[in-house]
Amino acid sequence: QKEVEQDPGPLSVPEGAIVSLNCTYSNSAFQYFMWYRQYSRKGPELLMYTYSSGNKEDGRFTAQVDKSSKYISLFIRDSQPSDSATYLCAMSAGTGGFKTIFGAGTRLFVKA
Amino acid sequence: DTEVTQTPKHLVMGMTNKKSLKCEQHMGHRAMYWYKQKAKKPPELMFVYSYEKLSINESVPSRFSPECPNSSLLNLHLHALQPEDSALYLCASSPDTIGTAFYGYTFGSGTRLTVV
Repeated sequence: QKEVEQDPGPLSVPEGAIVSLNCTYSNSAFQYFMWYRQYSRKGPELLMYTYSSGNKEDGRFTAQVDKSSKYISLFIRDSQPSDSATYLCAMSAGTGGFKTIFGAGTRLFVKA
Repeated sequence: DTEVTQTPKHLVMGMTNKKSLKCEQHMGHRAMYWYKQKAKKPPELMFVYSYEKLSINESVPSRFSPECPNSSLLNLHLHALQPEDSALYLCASSPDTIGTAFYGYTFGSGTRLTVV
């Protein structure tokens, strides 16, 4: 079993839709949870960061962490074509040089 | 623009060549990382430098040799690579590797390496 599971998609939605992206994990030591957005042929860009459980909102993006279920989500409201990218969930236990484990990434296409 | 600068952006090298990838950051971060990313795969950790000392080497073949000349620079020296080493090589930094807080990485745009 992988430490972090993420559906690679692709996920195709119409412009304006609410997008839900999810990851599950098995390591209960993870306490830092991140979402990165990666455009084609570019490096990942940190989108959302959450420490421990709870919700965090930033504009159209909301990140949720449920440590009891080992489940994290990213919601994108009013999705735009410019949101078309690969979204990588990532987690770290905060030890070992903040070694981060990435999910496989979900490819998202938002159609105009 | 990213605050982690990687050069070159593209590199094509033969299997007998020696080349170097360079990474620079001026955010005062004391941790720097090399990741390798194959197409449609997540990044895979190669090396971690903490305060200019190598702290993690993820069993990377010796044909990859990292170097951290100072707190702002990170190099990756390449020698006798194989075609399967073709990938996007990403440099990242974070404020620290110890302490109580981690706020994620700042990645560079990467070097797209092709080994022929």
